[in-house]
Amino acid sequence: DIQVTQSPSSLSASVGDRVTITCRASQGISRWLAWYQQKPGKAPRSLMYATSTLESGVPSRFSGSGFGTDFTLTITNLQPEDFATYYCQQYNSYPQTFGQGTKLEIK
Amino acid sequence: QVHLVESGGGVVQPGRSLRLSCGASGFIFRNYGMHWVRQAPGEGLEWVAAIYYDGSNEYFADSVTGRFTISRDNSQNTLYLQMNSLRAEDTAVYYCARDWGGGNSGYIDYWGQGILVTVSS
Repeated sequence: DIQVTQSPSSLSASVGDRVTITCRASQGISRWLAWYQQKPGKAPRSLMYATSTLESGVPSRFSGSGFGTDFTLTITNLQPEDFATYYCQQYNSYPQTFGQGTKLEIK
Repeated sequence: QVHLVESGGGVVQPGRSLRLSCGASGFIFRNYGMHWVRQAPGEGLEWVAAIYYDGSNEYFADSVTGRFTISRDNSQNTLYLQMNSLRAEDTAVYYCARDWGGGNSGYIDYWGQGILVTVSS
């Protein structure tokens, strides 16, 4: 199975900040990486697929980049509603696997 | 809009069985692959199983292979997860989720609200 490692596991930031979350796959996955956002007690929300394509309704302050094994999720101008846990997921190979999550907290 | 509603969760003893259902609406169910993803308390997301749009192919995580089965009734817009020989480590919130495509692309674009399964004596 392909292992997916996210860093950091937690992150503190302020409203208006720019933050970056990294995801590394144990082998090349081309551009087949997705990002999900989850708030406490809620279901995940799909944010982005194929590394950088935003789902409908996702604000443009979210962006993604990368290819192969190294990927990033960047959020600029953090808003209060962005504080949540973020998961990356590789879907290049079965079984699809998730990163362990990055909890983004308010500083 | 897409709506996925899980049911059938609850408390079950180790070794027993439970069947989860997921009612789908707001899209043409028979055109999409479907998944089950779970999340143990305080933990991350774990993909569990997937099924093709027509039920012709099924996929399982190693942790549930041989114990869980996935099925669907396209006439009733319903997805199922039959869970047998349940273990304490199966305790989790189980999410029904829609695949982006008709098979098992792996990318999930919509999620249900989740349902809790607790395996405990």
